[in-house]
Amino acid sequence: GDSVTQMEGPVTLSEEAFLTINCTYTATGYPSLFWYVQYPGEGLQLLLKATKADDKGSNKGFEATYRKETTSFHLEKGSVQVSDSAVYFCALIPLEGETSGSRLTFGEGTQLTVNP
Amino acid sequence: NAGVTQTPKFQVLKTGQSMTLQCAQDMNHNSMYWYRQDPGMGLRLIYYSASEGTTDKGEVPNGYNVSRLNKREFSLRLESAAPSQTSVYFCASSERQPQHFGDGTRLSIL
Repeated sequence: GDSVTQMEGPVTLSEEAFLTINCTYTATGYPSLFWYVQYPGEGLQLLLKATKADDKGSNKGFEATYRKETTSFHLEKGSVQVSDSAVYFCALIPLEGETSGSRLTFGEGTQLTVNP
Repeated sequence: NAGVTQTPKFQVLKTGQSMTLQCAQDMNHNSMYWYRQDPGMGLRLIYYSASEGTTDKGEVPNGYNVSRLNKREFSLRLESAAPSQTSVYFCASSERQPQHFGDGTRLSIL
């Protein structure tokens, strides 16, 4: 079955440091890939997405590129802020499931703490 | 904009008690989902409803039941709560992607 593997956390960085959170996946076909973010005490929010190979999703300074050859979708940000402290989840959905009722498969989540 | 609303936000139960978690969305989405979130395990799908009148099991359905009351509402019931069901429960809805999440219900079972 489909699966998503994220780098182990937690990750602690100083403000303005470079961030990479690794995500690799196993799936048949060409899934759509997502990064969700969960701020303390809140539900998950979509951060960015990519639907085909070599697509780059970007939002709020975060980027991730869909790499089919390495089955990866690593999240990056050039300069993190204290407000980026949150839990980040990588997720996928099969291409054939891109309709109502499609089921996301999530990674374990990576806790990011950014210190001033 | 309310989005996805979950009630209650917190609940403590004793083993064997029953409980229904409520979820409502105001975005006219067809699909709704229930997940549980446990440390180090991400979110796992309990049940989902692709459209009004249909429900299907997800990855971890044992010990739970659901009801899609109408297009807006999707409830999750624990008939006889067990300590292993201590978790944070999230409801989500979607019309295609992305899924929109509620703020969660933190449930502790003693």
